[in-house]
Order: sequence, then structure tokens, then C-alpha cells
Amino acid sequence: EPEVTQTPSHQVTQMGQEVILRCVPISNHLYFYWYRQILGQKVEFLVSFYNNEISEKSEIFDDQFSVERPDGSNFTLKIRSTKLEDSAMYFCASGAGRTYEQYFGPGTRLTVT
Amino acid sequence: RKEVEQDPGPFNVPEGATVAFNCTYSNSASQSFFWYRQDCRKEPKLLMSVYSSGNEDGRFTAQLNRASQYISLLIRDSKLSDSATYLCVVNKGRDKIIFGKGTRLHILP
Repeated sequence: EPEVTQTPSHQVTQMGQEVILRCVPISNHLYFYWYRQILGQKVEFLVSFYNNEISEKSEIFDDQFSVERPDGSNFTLKIRSTKLEDSAMYFCASGAGRTYEQYFGPGTRLTVT
Repeated sequence: RKEVEQDPGPFNVPEGATVAFNCTYSNSASQSFFWYRQDCRKEPKLLMSVYSSGNEDGRFTAQLNRASQYISLLIRDSKLSDSATYLCVVNKGRDKIIFGKGTRLHILP
């Protein structure tokens, strides 16, 4: 069964550093998403991406964040100048169509120290 | 009113029992509804979509009530492996989905 993969599984970084979280969506999917979940809190939408551009983003997704699909398989989330409050689990998801079911990767746990 | 609201639980239910959760949503324009389950420190996994006519998948039944803006999930003959957090998910806009905080379910042996 095809699945979404994410690397690394755990990333530790110092405050102020930049991190890139990587995802490989399911191969025939067209819609890609990033979410975050702070420990003990709900899953929060960050951004959706379709046809090589952002289709929607949340208030959380400010200039500190960017996404890219550098090739035909990878989908990345870059967080610049990380803050302590960026510590969370970041999930990538992909879907076959708009508002179709989304399939999540196992997540990257980001710890900012 | 919160965009997606769920009873956080926990629901402690003996194995073999039937349990039901409700979820309410605030956006009457929402068109897509889902139930996901999430195990501790794992990713959300799609359990089922929720259709207007209601749908069933094995022991799981989902219902949608647009007039009252709620969706429900019924689990019959509950198993120990059903212990998880159940997330109600509703679309907002074209490409955005909103998660509820989840309802925790503990199945007791």
C-alpha cells in the first residue's frame, strides 16, 4: 500500500537556526499539505499546495515558513529562524483531489532548544 | 462557537460494547467530513469519509446531520485495538481541513 514518508523522524535544532523538513507524498497524488501538532493540542493546518503553488495557508504560515516541491517526488517545509514555540510534530499529507481524503506521513518531531 | 467541537472524553467502554461520538461544526458551507483516528504520538489515519446518506464500514457507522451541523461515529462490538483518539475533520474553503481536538476512547478488557 503506498504511503507518505517523512524525514527526519526527529530534528533537534537551536533557536534561530533554519530547518528543512522533507516529505515524499504518494506518487499519483496532486495535493500536498503540511500540518503541525503541538504536544497535547489539536492538529493545525499550515498550508496546502497544488500545481506548484500554495493554494491556501493559515495564519500560522507567515514569512518564517516556506514550501517547495523541488522535484517530482519531494515536498519540503522550510522554517527560518526557529523559535522555541515551533517545537511540535509536523505532518505532511497528500490527497488525490481537492477535499478528498488525505493520507498522512508519520511526522517529524521538531525540537527547538 | 468553535469551528469543530468534540467531547474530549475519555470514554471508558468495556470490550464488546457499542460507543458513539458526536461532533459539531460551525461552518454551514462545509461539504466534506471525515473521521480520523490517532494513536498516541502517531499520525492521524483516515477512518472513513462521512456521506450525506450515512455510511458503514464494518463495525463503524458514520452519519451526517446538515440541519443540526453535526456528524456522528458509531462503533459496534468494540475491540481493544479501537482504543485511540478519534478526530472529527471538516473542510473549510477549497483546500483546507479543520480538525477537532479529538475524543479519547479507552476500551477496557
